[in-house]
Amino acid sequence: EAQVTQNPRYLITVTGKKLTVTCSQNMNHEYMSWYRQDPGLGLRQIYYSMNVEVTDKGDVPEGYKVSRKEKRNFPLILESPSPNQTSLYFCASSLLYNNEQFFGPGTRLTVL
Amino acid sequence: GQQVMQIPQYQHVQEGEDFTTYCNSSTTLSNIQWYKQRPGGHPVFLIQLVKSGEVKKQKRLTFQFGEAKKNSSLHITATQTTDVGTYFCARRSSNTGKLIFGQGTTLQVKP
Repeated sequence: EAQVTQNPRYLITVTGKKLTVTCSQNMNHEYMSWYRQDPGLGLRQIYYSMNVEVTDKGDVPEGYKVSRKEKRNFPLILESPSPNQTSLYFCASSLLYNNEQFFGPGTRLTVL
Repeated sequence: GQQVMQIPQYQHVQEGEDFTTYCNSSTTLSNIQWYKQRPGGHPVFLIQLVKSGEVKKQKRLTFQFGEAKKNSSLHITATQTTDVGTYFCARRSSNTGKLIFGQGTTLQVKP
């Protein structure tokens, strides 16, 4: 089944404890992206990747890192999480940058 | 800038009434995408509009792209409870790979 998977789906952590949210797609898509969703603010893009080893900042990249070593995986890294990073995070992929996005199920992160 | 403004933010309708959400940009859009997110779910792609004045239909949903390519709308005829959710428009940045979403319109349908 064609899909985007994210892990974990739920995470409660404490300020400063490094964490990684994994994202994987099995559709051979070139474009992958991370978004955060907060009430009233819609979806805001954190980072995106046009292809392997190519990543770029979205609108809210501060406090996040990403890597794209393989086509299928695009992990989101929070080196030192803070409470203002409490949010719902979505990973998405598309065949090319201007095609429809397929979203993962989301990761709800709480930073205490 | 390249933001897209979406209105209204919320809409409550009686089942059977029509619903429209609007997406506006101050700059010309190369294309516009629409997504639907059910409560507790993830965004799901509905459609992409590319041509000036384009109108596309999906059953009770009608999507329009303005002649000047600065606005778009999604119209639902005779809403049903299954239409409940948040509808987002999204635009591509003109010179990067960014995808910029509107704030979304949350639709509630009273049976």
